[in-house]
Amino acid sequence: DTEVTQTPKHLVMGMTNKKSLKCEQHMGHRAMYWYKQKAKKPPELMFVYSYEKLSINESVPSRFSPECPNSSLLNLHLHALQPEDSALYLCASSQDYRRGLGLYEQYFGPGTRLTVT
Amino acid sequence: TQLLEQSPQFLSIQEGENLTVYCNSSSVFSSLQWYRQEPGEGPVLLVTVVTGGEVKKLKRLTFQFGDARKDSSLHITAAQPGDTGLYLCAGKDRDDKIIFGKGTRLHILP
Repeated sequence: DTEVTQTPKHLVMGMTNKKSLKCEQHMGHRAMYWYKQKAKKPPELMFVYSYEKLSINESVPSRFSPECPNSSLLNLHLHALQPEDSALYLCASSQDYRRGLGLYEQYFGPGTRLTVT
Repeated sequence: TQLLEQSPQFLSIQEGENLTVYCNSSSVFSSLQWYRQEPGEGPVLLVTVVTGGEVKKLKRLTFQFGDARKDSSLHITAAQPGDTGLYLCAGKDRDDKIIFGKGTRLHILP
């Protein structure tokens, strides 16, 4: 099973709402990632978890709060978002993540299309 | 932050033609990856190149990593409509930052 699943597929939320995005993998991967992708742009890394610990936070605003409850699950909690946060949010996993080494092969989920109104 | 520059930005060709797209940097990367992304979907990994000068083949797709590990190319032979998509290269720069190129949007006309 090389699948990364993400729920929901689409989400519309107001600026005062609190919502969460979910990501799951059962490949035994120990690294999981959140990316944000705006239309016609490449994915931009937000967070990396390695062995359930936050390894990388790319200066993401605190209205985005990641959580890794176990090695198979990754959540992204959203609160007080702005319309400019509307984007495709992609989750990925890889066997490992090590600073100073090259990229491990990442497997991406289909994404959650988020619209903030 | 190092950049990965991809060219061309857009390419529209007839089915059956050959094409090459490029991923260039002024800096050395320990490895580079190529992904294909279709609209509304996540990127799908095609290949990882690690060794300078390496050539990898995946059916009609041939990937090359430059000798100096600063650039990579993707050559498609006899392009088919199913090859349509956004082709992205990615790597980790010397600051350990994961970066993607802006991509080449490929459209194969039947």
